[in-house]
This record gives sequence, structure tokens and C-alpha cells, in this order.
Amino acid sequence: TQLLEQSPQFLSIQEGENLTVYCNSSSVFSSLQWYRQEPGEGPVLLVTVVTGGEVKKLKRLTFQFGDARKDSSLHITAAQPGDTGLYLCAGSQGNLIFGKGTKLSVKP
Amino acid sequence: EAGVVQSPRYKIIEKKQPVAFWCNPISGHNTLYWYLQNLGQGPELLIRYENEEAVDDSQLPKDRFSAERLKGVDSTLKIQPAELGDSAVYLCASSLEGGELSDTQYFGPGTRLTVL
Repeated sequence: TQLLEQSPQFLSIQEGENLTVYCNSSSVFSSLQWYRQEPGEGPVLLVTVVTGGEVKKLKRLTFQFGDARKDSSLHITAAQPGDTGLYLCAGSQGNLIFGKGTKLSVKP
Repeated sequence: EAGVVQSPRYKIIEKKQPVAFWCNPISGHNTLYWYLQNLGQGPELLIRYENEEAVDDSQLPKDRFSAERLKGVDSTLKIQPAELGDSAVYLCASSLEGGELSDTQYFGPGTRLTVL
């Protein structure tokens, strides 16, 4: 059973475009994390959101946690080739439950 | 400061052979995790250690998988015998402490296992 659904699964865009990826669940999480993973490497934590409705910004990345703490979104403004990677969301229920990820490719 | 170290980075074996993966967590991190990541999937927890105690091994297939964390530092994950379906990336992660609002988990680069 996949508790966290991520969409889209794949995204290929041009440099400078904006994008949003989504992480949805029917379960409530005490916190939710977003990771970025590059080929041949482990995931690297980008942000942790804890409070329903919380919005966090990390340079060109904006993360939002849903009011009910069941879903989250990641918005990237003016994407750059360096943003290319696999973006994973993970919900905390004691242990981390990961989604399948969104594979982002940003072309110059 | 060194991150989580894993070895080997790549391993190719024939089915029914044994294989072992090694992980050295970040110094001072009490909690150690082993994850399995299949192609196109997110990581799935296999086992979590608090110091030397396995506090959650509910997802570890105990018929063929085993793990140990002697002295609460390094850890080894073993598969015996390996099956074709075990081909995946095995990730190790560590954090200062475990808990409900998890400490940041720092992941190693993983070991990519191919079973022929």
C-alpha cells in the first residue's frame, strides 16, 4: 500500500520555467520532509514541515504543508539545470514513509 | 566531517550466493537505519537501530536477511542466500536520535546490488 502519492512521476522542463510537484496521502503525518536525490547518491534533506498550513521557503523552492497535514507541495521558481534530480517526500509516523518520487529534468 | 560511509558501492553476485554490506554512520549518531530502494521507488525501511538495539525490524525479511550493529557504531546487513528480486540499492542512514519528529537523517551513497 502506497501511503504517499507523488505527482507527476516525471517532469521535463526548460530552464527558467516554474513547476510544482505534489505529495498526497489519506493519512495524517506528524511531520513531512522533502528530499532531493541525485543518481548514485543518497537522498539529501531539503526541508521539514511540521505545522498544518506551514509554508517554508528555501531560495527558489517553496514548500507547503496542507492544513490537515495530509499533503504537501513543492514549488520551484525559475528552474535551473542544477535542480535536476529525484524529489522525494517522506511522512513521519514514527518511521519515515517515502513516496515514489518525482524525477525532474531541467534542460538548459 | 565525514558523512555516512557505505561499502562496497557496487556488488554483482549470482543468485543463491551470500552478500554483506557495511555502513559507518556519522560519528556520534545513535540511530542507524537500513533502507531498500528499488528502481523508480522511494526508500523503504528495513531495520532501525538505537545504539546496538534493533528497535524496529518488522520489515526485514528474516528468512534471508540479517543485520547487526555491534558496539552501537558500524553496522552490517547480510543477505543469504540472495535472490534475483533482491537487486536494488541498499541505503544506510544515521541520525543523532530517533523519535516521532525525526532528527535529520543523513544518507550514505548506497550499495547497488545486482543479482544474476
